[in-house]
Amino acid sequence: KQEVTQIPAALSVPEGENLVLNCSFTDSAIYNLQWFRQDPGKGLTSLLLIQSSQREQTSGRLNASLDKSSGRSTLYIAASQPGDSATYLCAVPTDSWGKLQFGAGTQVVVTP
Amino acid sequence: DGGITQSPKYLFRKEGQNVTLSCEQNLNHDAMYWYRQDPGQGLRLIYYSQIVNDFQKGDIAEGYSVSREKKESFPLTVTSAQKNPTAFYLCASSKGGNNQPQHFGDGTRLSIL
Repeated sequence: KQEVTQIPAALSVPEGENLVLNCSFTDSAIYNLQWFRQDPGKGLTSLLLIQSSQREQTSGRLNASLDKSSGRSTLYIAASQPGDSATYLCAVPTDSWGKLQFGAGTQVVVTP
Repeated sequence: DGGITQSPKYLFRKEGQNVTLSCEQNLNHDAMYWYRQDPGQGLRLIYYSQIVNDFQKGDIAEGYSVSREKKESFPLTVTSAQKNPTAFYLCASSKGGNNQPQHFGDGTRLSIL
């Protein structure tokens, strides 16, 4: 069974520093990996979806890398801002229907 | 603006009562999903549907029921058989299959009176 892990569970950085968020998965036969952001009491916002054939996907200050062989994905957020404070979750589909297996998330605080 | 609307935002359930959470999307997506989120845990899948009039159980379907009579709507009923219903419930939709991003509503927080 696919297991998805995000370490650390929480992270605090000063404004301007680059953020590095980790996601690991046990079964490397994935279709893709999706990164989400969740603000307190809100739903999830899709940030990036990186296909299994890709090694990187970029959107603005966000860059996601994928290394299937080692079962890892990393989300980089450049020049962090207080508005980046949120919980970041990664997820992989586990069947052809799109059923997602989520990590527990990393809670990020960016201090001014 | 296209999106997913969940209602109500907060819901309270009495002992022995069934409650229904609404999820509507105007994205013209074929697939819809219900997840449950508990503090400190990742999201867990309750039910999902790829087409109208068809749905499948997820990992924690016991005590829940769904229907998919219209493409836009996927209501979730939390029955009295669900003994620990207090959680944050999230609805999502996608174009279908395993290679499309899922988009989420703003959630419904269910509590026990």
